[in-house]
Amino acid sequence: ILNVEQSPQSLHVQEGDSTNFTCSFPSSNFYALHWYRWETAKSPEALFVMTLNGDEKKKGRISATLNTKEGYSYLYIKGSQPEDSATYLCAFIGGVNSGGSNYKLTFGKGTLLTVNP
Amino acid sequence: NAGVTQTPKFQVLKTGQSMTLQCAQDMNHEYMSWYRQDPGMGLRLIHYSVGAGITDQGEVPNGYNVSRSTTEDFPLRLLSAAPSQTSVYFCASSVLIGVNEQFFGPGTRLTVL
Repeated sequence: ILNVEQSPQSLHVQEGDSTNFTCSFPSSNFYALHWYRWETAKSPEALFVMTLNGDEKKKGRISATLNTKEGYSYLYIKGSQPEDSATYLCAFIGGVNSGGSNYKLTFGKGTLLTVNP
Repeated sequence: NAGVTQTPKFQVLKTGQSMTLQCAQDMNHEYMSWYRQDPGMGLRLIHYSVGAGITDQGEVPNGYNVSRSTTEDFPLRLLSAAPSQTSVYFCASSVLIGVNEQFFGPGTRLTVL
Protein backbone atom coordinates (compact mmCIF):
# COMPACT_ATOMS: atom_id res chain seq x y z
CA ILE A 1 0.00 0.00 0.00
CA LEU A 2 1.45 3.35 -1.07
CA ASN A 3 1.81 6.10 1.52
CA VAL A 4 0.39 9.48 0.53
CA GLU A 5 0.49 11.98 3.38
CA GLN A 6 -1.13 15.39 3.55
CA SER A 7 -0.41 18.10 6.08
CA PRO A 8 -1.81 19.76 7.95
CA GLN A 9 -4.97 17.74 8.59
CA SER A 10 -6.95 20.92 9.09
CA LEU A 11 -6.38 24.63 8.84
CA HIS A 12 -8.34 27.71 9.89
CA VAL A 13 -7.48 31.02 8.21
CA GLN A 14 -9.02 34.46 8.00
CA GLU A 15 -10.48 35.83 4.81
CA GLY A 16 -7.71 37.43 2.79
CA ASP A 17 -4.93 35.24 4.21
CA SER A 18 -2.76 33.23 1.86
CA THR A 19 -2.14 29.63 2.77
CA ASN A 20 -0.49 26.46 1.57
CA PHE A 21 -0.51 22.77 2.32
CA THR A 22 1.63 19.79 1.48
CA CYS A 23 1.21 16.40 -0.17
CA SER A 24 4.02 13.85 0.24
CA PHE A 25 4.24 10.73 -1.93
CA PRO A 26 6.75 8.04 -2.92
CA SER A 27 9.56 9.59 -4.96
CA SER A 28 10.23 6.43 -6.96
CA ASN A 29 8.17 5.23 -9.92
CA PHE A 30 6.20 8.47 -10.24
CA TYR A 31 3.55 8.83 -12.94
CA ALA A 32 1.14 11.60 -11.95
CA LEU A 33 -0.17 13.62 -9.03
CA HIS A 34 -3.74 14.89 -8.84
CA TRP A 35 -5.28 17.62 -6.68
CA TYR A 36 -9.01 17.66 -5.96
CA ARG A 37 -11.27 20.07 -4.13
CA TRP A 38 -14.09 18.55 -2.11
CA GLU A 39 -16.84 20.70 -0.69
CA THR A 40 -19.11 19.34 2.01
CA ALA A 41 -22.10 17.39 0.63
CA LYS A 42 -20.67 17.45 -2.89
CA SER A 43 -18.32 15.26 -4.92
CA PRO A 44 -14.59 15.82 -5.38
CA GLU A 45 -13.72 18.05 -8.34
CA ALA A 46 -10.36 18.07 -10.07
CA LEU A 47 -8.09 21.08 -9.68
CA PHE A 48 -4.84 19.93 -11.28
CA VAL A 49 -3.15 16.92 -12.81
CA MET A 50 0.63 17.20 -12.66
CA THR A 51 3.08 14.90 -14.38
CA LEU A 52 6.49 16.57 -14.73
CA ASN A 53 9.05 17.43 -12.08
CA GLY A 54 9.01 21.19 -11.61
CA ASP A 55 5.45 21.53 -12.94
CA GLU A 56 3.58 24.59 -11.78
CA LYS A 57 -0.15 24.87 -12.40
CA LYS A 58 -2.48 27.77 -11.68
CA LYS A 59 -6.25 28.24 -11.65
CA GLY A 60 -7.34 31.66 -10.46
CA ARG A 61 -6.03 32.14 -6.91
CA ILE A 62 -5.02 28.51 -6.53
CA SER A 63 -1.69 27.15 -7.70
CA ALA A 64 0.35 24.00 -7.22
CA THR A 65 3.96 22.93 -7.59
CA LEU A 66 5.48 19.49 -7.99
CA ASN A 67 8.81 18.00 -6.94
CA THR A 68 8.93 14.35 -8.00
CA LYS A 69 12.58 13.83 -7.00
CA GLU A 70 11.86 14.52 -3.34
CA GLY A 71 8.23 13.38 -3.43
CA TYR A 72 6.14 16.41 -2.55
CA SER A 73 3.63 18.85 -3.99
CA TYR A 74 2.43 22.15 -2.53
CA LEU A 75 -0.99 23.69 -3.05
CA TYR A 76 -1.20 27.47 -2.55
CA ILE A 77 -4.28 29.62 -2.13
CA LYS A 78 -3.75 33.36 -2.41
CA GLY A 79 -6.16 35.70 -0.63
CA SER A 80 -8.43 32.97 0.78
CA GLN A 81 -12.19 33.50 0.53
CA PRO A 82 -14.96 31.76 2.53
CA GLU A 83 -15.95 29.89 -0.65
CA ASP A 84 -12.50 28.25 -0.64
CA SER A 85 -13.55 26.32 2.47
CA ALA A 86 -13.33 22.65 1.49
CA THR A 87 -11.21 19.54 1.87
CA TYR A 88 -8.27 19.47 -0.54
CA LEU A 89 -7.19 16.01 -1.61
CA CYS A 90 -4.08 14.90 -3.39
CA ALA A 91 -3.81 11.55 -5.15
CA PHE A 92 -0.73 9.75 -6.44
CA ILE A 93 -0.39 7.24 -9.23
CA GLY A 94 2.77 5.24 -9.71
CA GLY A 95 4.17 3.74 -12.87
CA VAL A 96 1.58 2.33 -15.24
CA ASN A 97 2.46 -0.99 -16.77
CA SER A 98 0.92 -2.71 -19.74
CA GLY A 99 -0.35 -5.49 -17.48
CA GLY A 100 -2.92 -3.14 -16.04
CA SER A 101 -2.12 -3.74 -12.38
CA ASN A 102 -0.88 -0.25 -11.57
CA TYR A 103 -3.84 1.82 -12.71
CA LYS A 104 -4.56 2.86 -9.15
CA LEU A 105 -4.95 6.33 -7.70
CA THR A 106 -3.97 6.46 -4.03
CA PHE A 107 -5.51 9.36 -2.13
CA GLY A 108 -4.21 11.19 0.89
CA LYS A 109 -6.63 11.87 3.74
CA GLY A 110 -6.96 15.51 2.79
CA THR A 111 -6.49 18.93 4.34
CA LEU A 112 -9.69 20.54 5.63
CA LEU A 113 -9.52 24.29 5.05
CA THR A 114 -11.91 26.65 6.82
CA VAL A 115 -11.83 30.31 5.83
CA ASN A 116 -13.47 32.61 8.36
CA PRO A 117 -15.08 35.81 7.07
CA ASN B 1 -23.96 15.19 -20.75
CA ALA B 2 -25.19 13.79 -17.45
CA GLY B 3 -21.59 12.99 -16.47
CA VAL B 4 -21.29 10.25 -13.85
CA THR B 5 -24.55 9.12 -12.29
CA GLN B 6 -25.05 6.85 -9.30
CA THR B 7 -28.14 5.18 -7.91
CA PRO B 8 -29.47 4.96 -5.31
CA LYS B 9 -28.49 8.09 -3.36
CA PHE B 10 -29.28 6.44 -0.02
CA GLN B 11 -29.75 2.83 1.00
CA VAL B 12 -30.29 0.96 4.26
CA LEU B 13 -29.59 -2.77 4.34
CA LYS B 14 -29.73 -5.46 6.95
CA THR B 15 -26.69 -7.60 7.64
CA GLY B 16 -26.48 -10.41 5.11
CA GLN B 17 -28.52 -8.74 2.39
CA SER B 18 -27.05 -8.23 -1.05
CA MET B 19 -27.45 -5.29 -3.36
CA THR B 20 -25.97 -3.56 -6.39
CA LEU B 21 -24.89 0.06 -6.52
CA GLN B 22 -25.28 1.41 -10.02
CA CYS B 23 -22.82 3.69 -11.80
CA ALA B 24 -23.04 5.01 -15.34
CA GLN B 25 -21.18 7.59 -17.39
CA ASP B 26 -21.95 9.09 -20.77
CA MET B 27 -18.52 10.52 -21.57
CA ASN B 28 -17.15 7.39 -23.28
CA HIS B 29 -14.49 7.06 -20.59
CA GLU B 30 -12.46 3.86 -20.57
CA TYR B 31 -11.41 4.05 -16.91
CA MET B 32 -13.95 3.66 -14.12
CA SER B 33 -13.46 3.09 -10.42
CA TRP B 34 -15.25 2.70 -7.11
CA TYR B 35 -14.14 4.30 -3.85
CA ARG B 36 -15.44 4.25 -0.33
CA GLN B 37 -15.15 7.20 1.98
CA ASP B 38 -14.98 6.68 5.72
CA PRO B 39 -14.28 9.27 8.44
CA GLY B 40 -10.56 9.73 8.95
CA MET B 41 -9.71 7.31 6.13
CA GLY B 42 -10.02 9.43 2.99
CA LEU B 43 -11.02 7.80 -0.29
CA ARG B 44 -10.03 4.17 -0.67
CA LEU B 45 -10.12 2.32 -3.98
CA ILE B 46 -12.34 -0.77 -4.04
CA HIS B 47 -12.23 -1.92 -7.67
CA TYR B 48 -11.41 -0.38 -11.00
CA SER B 49 -11.74 -1.08 -14.71
CA VAL B 50 -9.60 0.05 -17.63
CA GLY B 51 -12.19 -0.92 -20.24
CA ALA B 52 -15.14 -3.17 -20.99
CA GLY B 53 -14.42 -6.71 -19.85
CA ILE B 54 -11.40 -5.73 -17.71
CA THR B 55 -11.58 -5.24 -13.95
CA ASP B 56 -9.07 -5.39 -11.13
CA GLN B 57 -8.92 -5.04 -7.37
CA GLY B 58 -8.06 -1.92 -5.49
CA GLU B 59 -7.01 -1.44 -1.89
CA VAL B 60 -10.16 -2.76 -0.16
CA PRO B 61 -11.90 -5.27 -2.49
CA ASN B 62 -13.14 -7.85 0.02
CA GLY B 63 -16.92 -8.23 0.11
CA TYR B 64 -17.44 -6.49 -3.23
CA ASN B 65 -17.73 -7.67 -6.83
CA VAL B 66 -17.72 -5.68 -10.05
CA SER B 67 -18.23 -6.30 -13.72
CA ARG B 68 -17.85 -4.13 -16.82
CA SER B 69 -19.93 -5.46 -19.67
CA THR B 70 -20.24 -2.05 -21.38
CA THR B 71 -18.13 1.10 -21.48
CA GLU B 72 -20.94 3.07 -19.83
CA ASP B 73 -21.80 0.96 -16.78
CA PHE B 74 -19.78 -0.23 -13.79
CA PRO B 75 -22.01 -1.73 -11.07
CA LEU B 76 -20.69 -2.58 -7.60
CA ARG B 77 -22.21 -5.61 -5.90
CA LEU B 78 -22.23 -6.20 -2.18
CA LEU B 79 -22.49 -9.95 -1.77
CA SER B 80 -23.51 -10.19 1.89
CA ALA B 81 -23.66 -6.79 3.55
CA ALA B 82 -21.85 -6.25 6.85
CA PRO B 83 -21.95 -3.25 9.22
CA SER B 84 -18.30 -2.58 8.28
CA GLN B 85 -19.53 -1.72 4.79
CA THR B 86 -21.49 1.27 6.09
CA SER B 87 -19.90 4.09 4.12
CA VAL B 88 -20.31 6.61 1.33
CA TYR B 89 -19.50 5.11 -2.05
CA PHE B 90 -18.24 7.16 -4.98
CA CYS B 91 -17.92 6.07 -8.57
CA ALA B 92 -15.49 7.93 -10.84
CA SER B 93 -14.42 7.84 -14.47
CA SER B 94 -11.70 9.28 -16.66
CA VAL B 95 -10.43 9.08 -20.20
CA LEU B 96 -7.22 7.37 -19.15
CA ILE B 97 -6.03 7.11 -15.58
CA GLY B 98 -2.95 9.05 -14.61
CA VAL B 99 -2.75 12.04 -16.90
CA ASN B 100 -6.46 12.80 -16.96
CA GLU B 101 -8.66 14.06 -14.14
CA GLN B 102 -11.31 11.81 -12.68
CA PHE B 103 -14.97 12.83 -12.69
CA PHE B 104 -16.88 11.73 -9.63
CA GLY B 105 -20.51 10.76 -9.25
CA PRO B 106 -22.70 12.23 -6.48
CA GLY B 107 -22.17 9.29 -4.13
CA THR B 108 -24.33 6.64 -2.47
CA ARG B 109 -24.71 6.68 1.31
CA LEU B 110 -25.09 3.10 2.52
CA THR B 111 -26.01 2.03 6.03
CA VAL B 112 -25.86 -1.62 7.04
CA LEU B 113 -27.71 -2.45 10.25
